[in-house]
Amino acid sequence: KAGVTQTPRYLIKTRGQQVTLSCSPISGHRSVSWYQQTPGQGLQFLFEYFSETQRNKGNFPGRFSGRQFSNSRSEMNVSTLELGDSALYLCASRPRVNGELFFGEGSRLTVL
Amino acid sequence: EDQVTQSPEALRLQEGESSSLNCSYTVSGLRGLFWYRQDPGKGPEFLFTLYSAGEEKEKERLKATLTKKESFLHITAPKPEDSATYLCAVTIMKTSYDKVIFGPGTSLSVIP
Repeated sequence: KAGVTQTPRYLIKTRGQQVTLSCSPISGHRSVSWYQQTPGQGLQFLFEYFSETQRNKGNFPGRFSGRQFSNSRSEMNVSTLELGDSALYLCASRPRVNGELFFGEGSRLTVL
Repeated sequence: EDQVTQSPEALRLQEGESSSLNCSYTVSGLRGLFWYRQDPGKGPEFLFTLYSAGEEKEKERLKATLTKKESFLHITAPKPEDSATYLCAVTIMKTSYDKVIFGPGTSLSVIP
């Protein structure tokens, strides 16, 4: 069974630009979550989608948004990038509520 | 406020030197506690789920235990390949969704 796939793996942007990251969950998993990971803050929850609906949202500004498609694939978008947005963005899917998370390899974003 | 802490922040062991990592939580409505392993530049990998106090799970050199306020990850006779960051996370139930809170992690180095 294929794991969680994230694209792109690495990207470099400049301040003010926007970026879109993509995530394909494990087949059959309808829940997709996004996390931001930085050395200083650890894993910070961004949002979770289930069956195309946002179920939960973390404490991030409105520049961070996401969506989920009918095939459970998800995208997250960050607009007006800031230097502090440089991080590893991780996507995770899970098979059920209160189930374990299966993470992708992440998308490493560098903002210059 | 719901909170998860881990100690120590970093741990350096000689190969074969057993030790324990701690995960303490202050939450209401605990539904499950999860342990993950994360290698540098990769997404976390699921290790164990514990649902009730007194529960124990084992996998190779790792053993996870759970009490009402904390969990321990015991590492017996570690090898260099056990070097990684170990994350714990709790799932708590909110009114209409479950919330996942990660601890900051313990960075383990096992020296040959």
